[in-house]
Amino acid sequence: QQPVQSPQAVILREGEDAVINCSSSKALYSVHWYRQKHGEAPVFLMILLKGGEQKGHEKISASFNEKKQQSSLYLTASQLSYSGTYFCGTGATNDYKLSFGAGTTVTVRA
Amino acid sequence: DAGVIQSPRHEVTEMGQEVTLRCKPISGHDYLFWYRQTMMRGLELLIYFNNNVPIDDSGMPEDRFSAKMPNASFSTLKIQPSEPRDSAVYFCASSAGLAGLTDTQYFGPGTRLTVL
Repeated sequence: QQPVQSPQAVILREGEDAVINCSSSKALYSVHWYRQKHGEAPVFLMILLKGGEQKGHEKISASFNEKKQQSSLYLTASQLSYSGTYFCGTGATNDYKLSFGAGTTVTVRA
Repeated sequence: DAGVIQSPRHEVTEMGQEVTLRCKPISGHDYLFWYRQTMMRGLELLIYFNNNVPIDDSGMPEDRFSAKMPNASFSTLKIQPSEPRDSAVYFCASSAGLAGLTDTQYFGPGTRLTVL
């Protein structure tokens, strides 16, 4: 079952903040975040693991609430380059394939 | 590393024809995944391999779809016969470990398939 992402779309001006949420009905082991620009492949942003470990290499932060099976991605002081569709991929405790949400389209305007 | 390589990047074919999509994973990665992306259904996992062995093909839509991985550096996804509803972007991805646990999946550039 796919995780649910919200909102579906958000429009920002440069420098503004946004939060993208991802929730699952399954007990999660990990949450992965990707960004996809139009016509390109999804690019890895961050992985959050059960127990609190977090791996990422961009200036975008995220949180993982294991009890609620929810994750949030925080876009802080957004830049034009942040535009794209953000997907969360969830890895369930008893099913280690990634299931991807429908995506959140972020548009950052000058 | 060159990353995940897919070919062709674009494929236009007529209904009923056979289509073969190709993928070369990142060297050293033990897992290979095939995804399909459409506006209606989003990003769907079709099948994944571990050390060249198909582990889960529950996402393969029908018997018209088949996938093979004859060696660690090459995989194919075949559709025979193709139908217009197969039109989508097909991504191949690879990871060093099982991505649902702790490892990053790296996606190829995708093949945009159009079936007329």
